[in-house]
Amino acid sequence: DQQVKQNSPSLSVQEGRISILNCDYTNSMFDYFLWYKKYPAEGPTFLISISSIKDKNEDGRFTVFLNKSAKHLSLHIVPSQPGDSAVYFCAASAGRQGAQKLVFGQGTRLTINP
Amino acid sequence: DAGITQSPRHKVTETGTPVTLRCHQTENHRYMYWYRQDPGHGLRLIHYSYGVKDTDKGEVSDGYSVSRSKTEDFLLTLESATSSQTSVYFCAISEGQINEKLFFGSGTQLSVL
Repeated sequence: DQQVKQNSPSLSVQEGRISILNCDYTNSMFDYFLWYKKYPAEGPTFLISISSIKDKNEDGRFTVFLNKSAKHLSLHIVPSQPGDSAVYFCAASAGRQGAQKLVFGQGTRLTINP
Repeated sequence: DAGITQSPRHKVTETGTPVTLRCHQTENHRYMYWYRQDPGHGLRLIHYSYGVKDTDKGEVSDGYSVSRSKTEDFLLTLESATSSQTSVYFCAISEGQINEKLFFGSGTQLSVL
């Protein structure tokens, strides 16, 4: 039972355009969401997070949107750069349960074309 | 970068042999985790630790054991490796537990033949 789903295994975007990565979840108890970025042969690194009390969080070129009614979050990267080519994982937790209850999606491989 | 070192980085072993992976941190974080990454599954938690000698099971703990005798070291042991345990293993740490981001090591690629 996949509680966090990233339905697009891969995405290809032109440099300078917007990249939109999507993530759906089924557990209505999830109230904290994170995005991680992973380069080959490296561990995932934290990118951005959002609490369920917000519907948007920005950090430079990265914005995460949360639609609680649809149980959907998305990561927008504007403008996309070649260095953004990586695998992106979304993750969710029901806050008080702790980080050991963090559930990850399957990942989306983003390729930025020059 | 968080000071997390995983060893070995790569290992090839045979079915039925024991294997131990090591995670060493220099951040003095209380919480440590072992994940495995497989295609189509993302990252799944194997075991975690919330202090020295305090560990608990994660989502996919069967066939794995862990030990934490010092704050800085968290060991993952495959008692008798199977081909289904071929995977990339990541260690992670966090300072706290609630709404905390994890810091990951660089991973260990394990192949069980």
